[in-house]
Amino acid sequence: NAGVTQTPKFRILKIGQSMTLQCTQDMNHNYMYWYRQDPGMGLKLIYYSVGAGITDKGEVPNGYNVSRSTTEDFPLRLELAAPSQTSVYFCASSYSKNNEQFFGPGTRLTVL
Amino acid sequence: DQQVKQNSPSLSVQEGRISILNCDYTNSMFDYFLWYKKYPAEGPTFLISISSIKDKNEDGRFTVFLNKSAKHLSLHIVPSQPGDSAVYFCAASSNTGGFKTIFGAGTRLFVKA
Repeated sequence: NAGVTQTPKFRILKIGQSMTLQCTQDMNHNYMYWYRQDPGMGLKLIYYSVGAGITDKGEVPNGYNVSRSTTEDFPLRLELAAPSQTSVYFCASSYSKNNEQFFGPGTRLTVL
Repeated sequence: DQQVKQNSPSLSVQEGRISILNCDYTNSMFDYFLWYKKYPAEGPTFLISISSIKDKNEDGRFTVFLNKSAKHLSLHIVPSQPGDSAVYFCAASSNTGGFKTIFGAGTRLFVKA
């Protein structure tokens, strides 16, 4: 049981480039989430999904897109990278809404 | 607007003593609270939770206390161990008031041997 896996672990992007952060979970969880954590701040919800084919915006969705074609995968897309998107990104999943969330190890993204 | 506040950025405690981490919230719709622990270069891991119908939940060395009237919860770690050194996040959610789980900014705990 790998839990929640994220790739890549680190990435440096130039302004205006695009990339996809990958997230996969093998726990058959319906709920999946993307957070970003800026220095000294808590986790801010970017997007979430309550099941395959269903996604919705969180607190800070601007500049990001998601898709959920399968239960296992929840990729996060950055279309036009900006320095304000420099952050650590965490993917998480949970069995239901108020259950504990299981987090991946994070992706550290720097936009220069 | 910070709905979940952890006002102490850091806390230093001697090994064997009690660590008390505090968390305040503003939204009375929150009815479920969680604590997560995070080591450097890892994702947060769930530690303990409490529902608003309780005022205390205990799991081994970890106890969470909830004071609904004060909108305050605290995490007690007794006895503290060097391996407890990590960042602790308080989180709150609501069954009725919308979906989001709101996280505090975290408190970094140092347990000195």
